[in-house]
Amino acid sequence: DAKTTQPPSMDCAEGRAANLPCNHSTISGNEYVYWYRQIHSQGPQYIIHGLKNNETNEMASLIITEDRKSSTLILPHATLRDTAVYYCIVRSPNAGGTSYGKLTFGQGTILTVHP
Amino acid sequence: EAQVTQNPRYLITVTGKKLTVTCSQNMNHEYMSWYRQDPGLGLRQIYYSMNVEVTDKGDVPEGYKVSRKEKRNFPLILESPSPNQTSLYFCASRQGLSSYEQYFGPGTRLTVT
Repeated sequence: DAKTTQPPSMDCAEGRAANLPCNHSTISGNEYVYWYRQIHSQGPQYIIHGLKNNETNEMASLIITEDRKSSTLILPHATLRDTAVYYCIVRSPNAGGTSYGKLTFGQGTILTVHP
Repeated sequence: EAQVTQNPRYLITVTGKKLTVTCSQNMNHEYMSWYRQDPGLGLRQIYYSMNVEVTDKGDVPEGYKVSRKEKRNFPLILESPSPNQTSLYFCASRQGLSSYEQYFGPGTRLTVT
């Protein structure tokens, strides 16, 4: 799986957009970008994923650069409940062997949303 | 409601006393796995199962056992717990190879004294 680099922490004002960057310069052609978040020791929660096109769902938007070496997760109107650790993960959905289904979580970005 | 449940949520035990942490999912998922989370080390996979009676080691399997006799259940067994197994444990499931989203349980905080 490609390695990802995220800033250790970010702040955001409530109601504003939170833009969380992720660098994955060694991503290969069949690897997707996934975002999960973990709210204070709860189980990680899936947010969104994408291959090369921008994606949007009810939680967030994912912007992937044309060269696919980086991406940005956007929470359009952050709330206090969005305070969490956000993980960017790059992997192939068809990875087999000991990588089958495994998500490799790095240190993530601690996003703090303040009033 | 689609969910992964774990029991117990909190457990304090002593070294050497066998314990089982249960995990159950109600989504008919094929794939299930166990992770442990430790400060500074992130989440690491312990064991995984691709379907009933099919299990395999993850990155940190030492000291753990699992079984998958039914599709919905994937218990984690610590035959002889040691203090270095004090951790936060998560069970996860997903439908199969083509599924992108994994669902995680609420976690079990285990302390071994």
